[in-house]
Amino acid sequence: DAKTTQPPSMDCAEGRAANLPCNHSTISGNEYVYWYRQIHSQGPQYIIHGLKNNETNEMASLIITEDRKSSTLILPHATLRDTAVYYCIVRVGSSGNTPLVFGKGTRLSVIA
Amino acid sequence: DADVTQTPRNRITKTGKRIMLECSQTKGHDRMYWYRQDPGLGLRLIYYSFDVKDINKGEISDGYSVSRQAQAKFSLSLESAIPNQTALYFCATGQNNQPQHFGDGTRLSIL
Repeated sequence: DAKTTQPPSMDCAEGRAANLPCNHSTISGNEYVYWYRQIHSQGPQYIIHGLKNNETNEMASLIITEDRKSSTLILPHATLRDTAVYYCIVRVGSSGNTPLVFGKGTRLSVIA
Repeated sequence: DADVTQTPRNRITKTGKRIMLECSQTKGHDRMYWYRQDPGLGLRLIYYSFDVKDINKGEISDGYSVSRQAQAKFSLSLESAIPNQTALYFCATGQNNQPQHFGDGTRLSIL
């Protein structure tokens, strides 16, 4: 079973920041938080991952609370092309050893 | 992602037929995975492989088999297809300290 809890859906106005929450209250010390997204029925696309420090890349920022029990994915300037299902996943290690376990994710709708 | 290629992209077949879905990758990754996705749900793991000599069952392996013919190839077979195996199937690859990369999927319909 997925170890994360996400809201089933969210809306965001185009050009605004999209903040997607994720609860992972049972996360272990060696588990990373990963974010993927799936646009329509395409293959999931990796966005970002982190252990305990906040992370930023060209796609998004990941904010992890100090107790690591929750995190927020931030898309700073959402566009219509960011409409997708976003999956928050916790996984042991940063390597590819452990398969990803997907929940139902959050369906983000970016509105013009 | 053209680095992970799935064939066929779409397939319609009848109950009882044997089906093989192919996955090939040019990323040089050791690890390969097969997932299935049903409407409105997240992906569920069928089988995965850490190298050519390693095969592991996932969450929903019943009714499926796999073959890792080479580092770059990982095929999924349905020996006797049934309608509830109608789904979207994804292959993925992974490597140490690298995120998983997914193919574009195979849409399989079993009548």
